[in-house]
Amino acid sequence: GAVVSQHPSRVICKSGTSVKIECRSLDFQATTMFWYRQFPKQSLMLMATSNEGSKATYEQGVEKDKFLINHASLTLSTLTVTSAHPEDSSFYICSVLPRARNTEAFFGQGTRLTVV
Amino acid sequence: EDQVTQSPEALRLQEGESSSLNCSYTVSGLRGLFWYRQDPGKGPEFLFTLYSAGEEKEKERLKATLTKKESFLHITAPKPEDSATYLCAVQVPTDSWGKLQFGAGTQVVVTP
Repeated sequence: GAVVSQHPSRVICKSGTSVKIECRSLDFQATTMFWYRQFPKQSLMLMATSNEGSKATYEQGVEKDKFLINHASLTLSTLTVTSAHPEDSSFYICSVLPRARNTEAFFGQGTRLTVV
Repeated sequence: EDQVTQSPEALRLQEGESSSLNCSYTVSGLRGLFWYRQDPGKGPEFLFTLYSAGEEKEKERLKATLTKKESFLHITAPKPEDSATYLCAVQVPTDSWGKLQFGAGTQVVVTP
């Protein structure tokens, strides 16, 4: 069964609105979660590292005020795309690192965001 | 600069026609190399982790190997259900565990 639940799987929103994407770890506690972005036929690009109880760490070039990350519990991280624009349309994927380290990261099913 | 390069970009196979995918990397002090499978519109599904040169892992028709500069994913007698994009990713020492650098992937299509 699924280890990581990501919701919604698809969302269409109007330009200028905000969209929240949830990533839940179902089987284990996770102090660290990661948010990736994937454009068609391209690789996954890490956007930020989400740390439970502290601020997220953003990769170079990723606007932290635009992509708000909240990791309020050991099983939930959220990514909010604020004031979305068509260029934000992409496939967003979260991954979860189990608290017992040195294992593989588990990925959510992804969220297809389309901004119109 | 650390890089992960996968080849070929796309591969079309007949059912039963074995082949190999390549992942070459230029990272300092590899901590782990990961293979994932990704179906269209889905998140990556974990296949293997390799940690040191010479290591091999197998799962059904897939076998992953690792050298100091590259990894191969061998697909033996593939079936149509093996059609997917196969992603290679590396973990580098300077990054927190679980933070991966991905290659662009190899899209595999297996026809009956």
